[in-house]
Amino acid sequence: GNSVTQMEGPVTLSEEAFLTINCTYTATGYPSLFWYVQYPGEGLQLLLKATKADDKGSNKGFEATYRKETTSFHLEKGSVQVSDSAVYFCALTSGTYKYIFGTGTRLKVLA
Amino acid sequence: EAGVAQSPRYKIIEKRQSVAFWCNPISGHATLYWYQQILGQGPKLLIQFQNNGVVDDSQLPKDRFSAERLKGVDSTLKIQPAKLEDSAVYLCASSLDTQSLADTQYFGPGTRLTVL
Repeated sequence: GNSVTQMEGPVTLSEEAFLTINCTYTATGYPSLFWYVQYPGEGLQLLLKATKADDKGSNKGFEATYRKETTSFHLEKGSVQVSDSAVYFCALTSGTYKYIFGTGTRLKVLA
Repeated sequence: EAGVAQSPRYKIIEKRQSVAFWCNPISGHATLYWYQQILGQGPKLLIQFQNNGVVDDSQLPKDRFSAERLKGVDSTLKIQPAKLEDSAVYLCASSLDTQSLADTQYFGPGTRLTVL
């Protein structure tokens, strides 16, 4: 069946460091891929998405590229801020329109 | 634009009691989802509605969980009787159009349930 695997956290970085959060997936067909973010005390919200191979989603300085050959959708940001501290979820939809979420990666950015 | 509303935000009950959660989606959103998020895990879909019809309830424990979406707008999720393992955050989400695989879901703040 479909699944999403994320790197385990927590990830702790200093402000202005480079961020990578790994996400790989297993899916039949051609899934759409998403990153959602959950800030402390708030609900999940869409960060970015990509709907076909080689697409790059981007938002708020974050980027992720849909790599079909490696079944990956890694999240990157060149310079993180304290305000980026949150839990990040990789997710996919495929065929049944049902979202499958990863377990989440907690990011802590220190000033 | 108003977001997805959920109530209550927190609920503490004893095992074998019943509990109900309410969700009001974004106006005009046809699709409504209920998720269960256990601490340290990602959200797991319990049930998905398209208007007032059920699209997917394959992961809903139907012996104790029930959900309805009368009139295709707001929705109620009920647990009766509750078990210790039902302790989790229950998330409601809505989206405009379930016909798109790239449909964005908008989440409410969730209801944190503690079963003692």
